[in-house]
Amino acid sequence: EAGVTQFPSHSVIEKGQTVTLRCDPISGHDNLYWYRRVMGKEIKFLLHFVKESKQDESGMPNNRFLAERTGGTYSTLKVQPAELEDSGVYFCASSQVGVASRAPGLRTSYGYTFGSGTRLTVV
Amino acid sequence: SQQGEEDPQALSIQEGENATMNCSYKTSINNLQWYRQNSGRGLVHLILIRSNEREKHSGRLRVTLDTSKKSSSLLITASRAADTASYFCATEIRGAQKLVFGQGTRLTINP
Repeated sequence: EAGVTQFPSHSVIEKGQTVTLRCDPISGHDNLYWYRRVMGKEIKFLLHFVKESKQDESGMPNNRFLAERTGGTYSTLKVQPAELEDSGVYFCASSQVGVASRAPGLRTSYGYTFGSGTRLTVV
Repeated sequence: SQQGEEDPQALSIQEGENATMNCSYKTSINNLQWYRQNSGRGLVHLILIRSNEREKHSGRLRVTLDTSKKSSSLLITASRAADTASYFCATEIRGAQKLVFGQGTRLTINP
């Protein structure tokens, strides 16, 4: 099966501009997560969708960040306006509810699969 | 402080040596997972250990979990230059459908 796809892989924008990141989860996965790693620090949870609904958005840093998942398929994460401190790697992951892992590799107890990330550089 | 704190923050060893990284956490967990990130690229899942397990092996990886101390360790044996990366532990907190990551350990394998 296809994995989680993130686009673009790398984006360089100027401070004040807008950037939209996209994540295509594994088909059929209801859960979609956004995480980011900023300035070599820890990987922080941003939010969690279940289908098109925001289940948990406690990690969203401020109102410059807007995540959507229209139709419960792919998701977008828009940063507007971008600031220098937004630079980092943004990861998306998807999982299927209640699927237990039986094999090593990308899947986990809840079947999390991560994309390769989008490296955002704000200059 | 953060759930899933790694120790050390940076580790540099010679190729062929073993590398040990530790992780501590604070709350009850379903499982603990280790991930690798190469040069700012994507996250690669390495191994998962459930809360009722104490030790797990996968190739050159060995993970231990001590739920009484809320800690885990990742041992990479016979390290290779290709093992150079950042390693993160992540906990799946009981009752929550998400992973909480630590700050990571930057591992450098010197040839």
